[in-house]
Amino acid sequence: EVQLVQSGTEVKKPGESLKISCKGSGYSFTNYWIGWVRQMPGKGLEWMGMMYPGDSDTRYSPSFQGQVTMSADKSISTAYLQWSSLKASDTAMYYCARQVWNYVGGHYYYNGMDVWGQGTTVTVSS
Amino acid sequence: SYDLTQPPSVSVSPGQTASITCSGDKLGDKSACWYQQKPGQAPVLVIYQDTKRPSGIPERFSGSNSGNTATLTISGTQAMDEADYYCQAWDSSTGVFGGGTRLTVL
Repeated sequence: EVQLVQSGTEVKKPGESLKISCKGSGYSFTNYWIGWVRQMPGKGLEWMGMMYPGDSDTRYSPSFQGQVTMSADKSISTAYLQWSSLKASDTAMYYCARQVWNYVGGHYYYNGMDVWGQGTTVTVSS
Repeated sequence: SYDLTQPPSVSVSPGQTASITCSGDKLGDKSACWYQQKPGQAPVLVIYQDTKRPSGIPERFSGSNSGNTATLTISGTQAMDEADYYCQAWDSSTGVFGGGTRLTVL
């Protein structure tokens, strides 16, 4: 079974650092992009960025560039999302998801985020 | 930045057809996806490449995309389809989600 399993709930204080994880199984982890999505309480989905574990190529949404760091350890099929100094406004649910593209006839076609982790709740409060 | 606009809410009676729109500049030139999210759960992909259904998604879910508007259509809507729905597209190597539409089945 293809799945992504995320690390557990975090409660932190402003200014603290944090690294959450997303472990893939049941597929070739290095051959698919992993995307991260934020969902603030009662709000919609926001695409934060993505990383290709095969070569660590990383793309960030302009809204999140410089705010978070994405990384991966392909030896243990795990992707990470980290903050160096949390703010109260980072309080949210964070999802990782496998992003799929197909290359057909010289074109890349986006097939969506087809497998999602269960989400990690991050609460930042003094 | 690229914006995708969805209506905040749509209501439908059981057994009827629900249509949820997603508008963006020249969206028809891009590939649109749709996700369903029920309370307390992670999103689920229901449509990709404008019209395709992943394995396990019921046939009553369908999609289209032309001009500036992508549409998710749910035929014979069931109570279990009540959820939030989000469209997604790509612009300049950045993923963009619409603001989401709450579908109420009443």
